[in-house]
Amino acid sequence: AQKVTQAQTEISVVEKEDVTLDCVYETRDTTYYLFWYKQPPSGELVFLIRRNSFDEQNEISGRYSWNFQKSTSSFNFTITASQVVDSAVYFCALSETGYSTLTFGKGTMLLVSP
Amino acid sequence: NAGVTQTPKFRVLKTGQSMTLLCAQDMNHEYMYWYRQDPGMGLRLIHYSVGEGTTAKGEVPDGYNVSRLKKQNFLLGLESAAPSQTSVYFCASSYMIGAGGGTDTQYFGPGTRLTVL
Repeated sequence: AQKVTQAQTEISVVEKEDVTLDCVYETRDTTYYLFWYKQPPSGELVFLIRRNSFDEQNEISGRYSWNFQKSTSSFNFTITASQVVDSAVYFCALSETGYSTLTFGKGTMLLVSP
Repeated sequence: NAGVTQTPKFRVLKTGQSMTLLCAQDMNHEYMYWYRQDPGMGLRLIHYSVGEGTTAKGEVPDGYNVSRLKKQNFLLGLESAAPSQTSVYFCASSYMIGAGGGTDTQYFGPGTRLTVL
């Protein structure tokens, strides 16, 4: 059965620190998709990235980077030089072939203090 | 494009009252979803739809009904509201991906904050 685990419930860092949010998934599919979403204190859910199971290349977007490792079933998210505006709840999610729903992790709350 | 919109943004109900939440999307997505979010509980799927005229139950469907009469709209109904239904409700929509019918990126509406007294 599909499952997404975000073991870190809450992380607190000081501005400019680097921080990594962990995501571990379980699936029997060979074709699947992984996502990260951000939910800032204002409440909306913002899509950050989508990665398919055939593309293990790491992705970098500004201060954000994602490390996808099929060998460890992980899709970790790193914020470099964190800022107060990065404070949010971050959700990892899994989409599998044949399932028309996403499996979400419970989320990691990131608090960045000045 | 407005994306995914939800009506209303806020609502206060008394126990036993009924209401309908409206979700609309202008991205021609096949799939639509209703979630609820409670403190510390993450996102929980209530109902979803893979196409016009079809609906299915999610993780927490009790006390809710849905309808998808038009592709762009997905309605969530509470027939007799209970305090346990106090929550923030999110609608989302997505394309189908792959031959197996998986869901592509889900795009979310801004949410509806519902309080049941």
